Amino acid sequence: AQTVTQSQPEMSVQEAETVTLSCTYDTSENNYYLFWYKQPPSRQMILVIRQEAYKQQNATENRFSVNFQKAAKSFSLKISDSQLGDTAMYFCAFMNGNQGGKLIFGQGTELSVKP
Amino acid sequence: ETGVTQSPTHLIKTRGQQVTLRCSSQSGHNTVSWYQQALGQGPQFIFQYYREEENGRGNFPPRFSGLQFPNYSSELNVNALELDDSALYLCASSLDSQGPQHFGDGTRLSIL
Repeated sequence: AQTVTQSQPEMSVQEAETVTLSCTYDTSENNYYLFWYKQPPSRQMILVIRQEAYKQQNATENRFSVNFQKAAKSFSLKISDSQLGDTAMYFCAFMNGNQGGKLIFGQGTELSVKP
Repeated sequence: ETGVTQSPTHLIKTRGQQVTLRCSSQSGHNTVSWYQQALGQGPQFIFQYYREEENGRGNFPPRFSGLQFPNYSSELNVNALELDDSALYLCASSLDSQGPQHFGDGTRLSIL
């Protein structure tokens, strides 16, 4: 069974600084996708970034980038130039490419950006 | 482009009752997935519907059932409600069964 682990329940960062959120996963599959989702207090889950396992290049979306280490089964999220609006719960998620669209989520990391 | 919409926003029920939650998928999306998110936890997959057929189910009892309509909107039905069913229920739609999932705002279900 696949599992996703986020070992940092809470993190904080000063506005304009950089922060990295950690995620590890366990799978025996080769075909899979990894995601980071953001859930602000408004509760809507927002897709931040997506990574296909077969791609070696790390995905990037503006201030958000990932460090995908396939052999280590690690998928960290780096947020550059942190903004107050980045304050939210961040969830790492795994999808098995051979088993349809089931997303397996980690427990989440609560990020606070301080002015 | 209209995003994923869920109704109602908040619902209060008592144990043993039945509830129906509704979800309208994003325009052009034919797949809907449902998740249960307990307080302080990550979402748990309930099931997915792809072109009106169930396409995968998580570890939830049969009293959790669903439906997808020809316009790809979807319903989640829960019978014989239990206190542990209190949670945020999230619906997500995608272009296909493996595409990136876009979530609605959720329905907060409280069981008394």
